[in-house]
Amino acid sequence: AQSVSQHNHHVILSEAASLELGCNYSYGGTVNLFWYVQYPGQHLQLLLKYFSGDPLVKGIKGFEAEFIKSKFSFNLRKPSVQWSDTAEYFCAVNPYSSASKIIFGSGTRLSIRP
Amino acid sequence: DTEVTQTPKHLVMGMTNKKSLKCEQHMGHRAMYWYKQKAKKPPELMFVYSYEKLSINESVPSRFSPECPNSSLLNLHLHALQPEDSALYLCASSQPDGNTEAFFGQGTRLTVV
Repeated sequence: AQSVSQHNHHVILSEAASLELGCNYSYGGTVNLFWYVQYPGQHLQLLLKYFSGDPLVKGIKGFEAEFIKSKFSFNLRKPSVQWSDTAEYFCAVNPYSSASKIIFGSGTRLSIRP
Repeated sequence: DTEVTQTPKHLVMGMTNKKSLKCEQHMGHRAMYWYKQKAKKPPELMFVYSYEKLSINESVPSRFSPECPNSSLLNLHLHALQPEDSALYLCASSQPDGNTEAFFGQGTRLTVV
């Protein structure tokens, strides 16, 4: 079945630790990829996106993600997390065959210890 | 203006009530979406409107009825809901070609009693 998988449900890190959140998708063909963040009590915000070109994309707040087509992955990274990064992180896919249909992964809750 | 505005922010309704959720955007986007998000779960797509026409209905029960009066407005009419329909309802908009991100509103927190 076509899906978006985030294997880490809850990640707990100390401030200044490095972060990597996994995302895999099972859609064939061309896809557009996104990472959204939902801070407590706030709306979903776009962190970064990949449509084409350089597979290493940089987003806001020091986040970056790498698209590896052969692995159907789009992992999110940040070299040094801050307490303010505490939030829910969602990987999302828009399959080209279904334009305007953004499908979300199950989300990863990130807790940062001050 | 990169905002998607949803009203009301909170809504409590009885199972026999009829209510409507409203969503507005002024970014010139021609695709608008309704998502449902339960606590600690990802948003689940309900409906997509593209150029003011319903293009995707993810097998949503008929007690949820979407409406897109014009390119800036999206409504979700609610009737005879069940307590399990309590959730955060999110509206989003984007261009309909799949090559832009979606912008999300803050949602309407719906409680069905």
